[in-house]
Amino acid sequence: NAGVMQNPRHLVRRRGQEARLRCSPMKGHSHVYWYRQLPEEGLKFMVYLQKENIIDESGMPKERFSAEFPKEGPSILRIQQVVRGDSAAYFCASSPGHRATNEKLFFGSGTQLSVL
Amino acid sequence: DQQVKQNSPSLSVQEGRISILNCDYTNSMFDYFLWYKKYPAEGPTFLISISSIKDKNEDGRFTVFLNKSAKHLSLHIVPSQPGDSAVYFCAATYTSGTYKYIFGTGTRLKVLA
Repeated sequence: NAGVMQNPRHLVRRRGQEARLRCSPMKGHSHVYWYRQLPEEGLKFMVYLQKENIIDESGMPKERFSAEFPKEGPSILRIQQVVRGDSAAYFCASSPGHRATNEKLFFGSGTQLSVL
Repeated sequence: DQQVKQNSPSLSVQEGRISILNCDYTNSMFDYFLWYKKYPAEGPTFLISISSIKDKNEDGRFTVFLNKSAKHLSLHIVPSQPGDSAVYFCAATYTSGTYKYIFGTGTRLKVLA
């Protein structure tokens, strides 16, 4: 029973290139969250999605960043025209989406993005 | 706007003693709280949680206490073990809202052998 799968584990991009981060949720989970962790900082909420729908994107920068969770396939976090400040660990988490009162998130191992 | 705060960036404790990690929140709508543990180069893993209808939840060596009037929760680990050395994040959400989980900045715990 695979957990949350993120790939790649490490991604190196030059300034101005595009970064695509992928996340496959746990089996049976329909909700996906993306978080960013800058060096020596906490986990910053970016976006919360369910299949084909963005529920909350209040933490995502308005420019250059986008996220999707299509009906088929993984969730994608896309960063266009990357800058050095985008260098961070990006974590994906999933939940069953039942909105039960004790629902918790399951995290992937993260993608470390380095912008040269 | 940091709605969940962990004011101690680091904590060192002797093996066998109690570790107490603290967390404060500002949003009174939060009704479900969680603690996660994170090792380097890994994703956070769930440790323990508590609903706002309770003031204490215990699981083995881990106990979480919630003080709603003070908007404060704490995680107690007793006895502390070297394998507990990690970064601990508290998180909060409100189940009547969008179910977004807000995390604190983390506390790095070092358990000394």
